[in-house]
This record gives sequence, C-alpha cells and structure tokens, in this order.
Amino acid sequence: SQQGEEDPQALSIQEGENATMNCSYKTSINNLQWYRQNSGRGLVHLILIRSNEREKHSGRLRVTLDTSKKSSSLLITASRAADTASYFCATWPATASKLTFGTGTRLQVTL
Amino acid sequence: NAGVTQTPKFRVLKTGQSMTLLCAQDMNHEYMYWYRQDPGMGLRLIHYSVGEGTTAKGEVPDGYNVSRLKKQNFLLGLESAAPSQTSVYFCASSYSATGLAKNIQYFGAGTRLSVL
Repeated sequence: SQQGEEDPQALSIQEGENATMNCSYKTSINNLQWYRQNSGRGLVHLILIRSNEREKHSGRLRVTLDTSKKSSSLLITASRAADTASYFCATWPATASKLTFGTGTRLQVTL
Repeated sequence: NAGVTQTPKFRVLKTGQSMTLLCAQDMNHEYMYWYRQDPGMGLRLIHYSVGEGTTAKGEVPDGYNVSRLKKQNFLLGLESAAPSQTSVYFCASSYSATGLAKNIQYFGAGTRLSVL
C-alpha cells in the first residue's frame, strides 16, 4: 500500500533553530497532511495541502508540495522546546478513500 | 467539547482473553477509524466505518472485529487476544472521507494494550 516515508527518522536541534522534515510518497494524491504526536498522546492535525497547491503557511509552519517529485517538506521556524514531538505525514491517494501515514520524524528541541 | 474519547486508557490481557475498546466522538462525524501504532511502523489502519451500521476492513484487520451501532460510537473487539496484538490503539474520526479538506482526522488519546 502507498505510504509516506519521512526523512530524517530523528532530528535534534537547539531552540531557536529551524527544523525541516521531508516526506516522500509513491502515487498521485488528492492532498497531503501533517500531524504532530506528543509523547503518550494522540495525533493532532497541523496542516493540509491540496495537490494543486505548492506552498502553505500556518503560524511558524511552512509546508511545500512537489507533485512532480512526489515529495513534501515541513519547516518549523524558530523552534521551541514545546515543538518536541513526532511528526507524521499522511497522504490521501487519488484512487483510495483512506489516509496512509508514514513512520514519522522524531524531533527533539533542546534549550 | 470532548472530541474523541477512548476507553480504557490501559489494559493488560492474558493470551486468549477477549476485550472491547470503546471510541466515542461528539462532533457528529460520519467516518470513524481504528489504528494500531507499533514502534517504527507508523499507524496502520485496522477497520473503519463510513457511517452508522457500516464497517470495512483496513490494512491489518485479522484478529479484530468492529461494530458501529450508533453514529457516535465505534467499538473494536479482540475475541482471542494474542501477544502480537500488544500495541497502542488509536481511534479517529472525520467529517467525510473525500479528497477535500473535510477529511482531516481527529484522534483520541489512545489505549495501551499488553497481551501476556
């Protein structure tokens, strides 16, 4: 089944730095979503980008989508310790009716 | 507004025992989902429902059954638990399942299940 693959698997940065994580997928999509999961909690939706969009912003988040390369990136600017979490991309395939989640990027932001 | 509520939060079972996980949502969402999350494997879809009285198999349905008798509730059953079912289980719901923005999913806090 199609699956988003995040890269890197783990990322450690200092507070104030920017964090970039990438997602690659295999087939055509309707949209791509990013979710955050704090330790021991459920996933929380962050941002959705449609297949006809190239870039989207939400607060300190910036998401890009390149459908020709079947890839997306999530940029968190001026990171904070509270951004420490796992981040998952989820793709909505054009020919299916279910989200497919990747394996996630674990982000650690240190003071 | 509670969102998606899962019960219980933790459970330990012996091999062969049965149990039911309950998911309740108060957002009037049509679609509900059960996932399991295992280390290094992301979330895998077990079963889902597109409306009251309907259910469908996901990616890893074997060993599980589900029921959606009421729109707000989605039950996940394990008839004879096995150690391979040790996992964290998440329920989610969404307004719809089209490719548009309304398929954003809302998650519960999870149920941690250990099968000994």
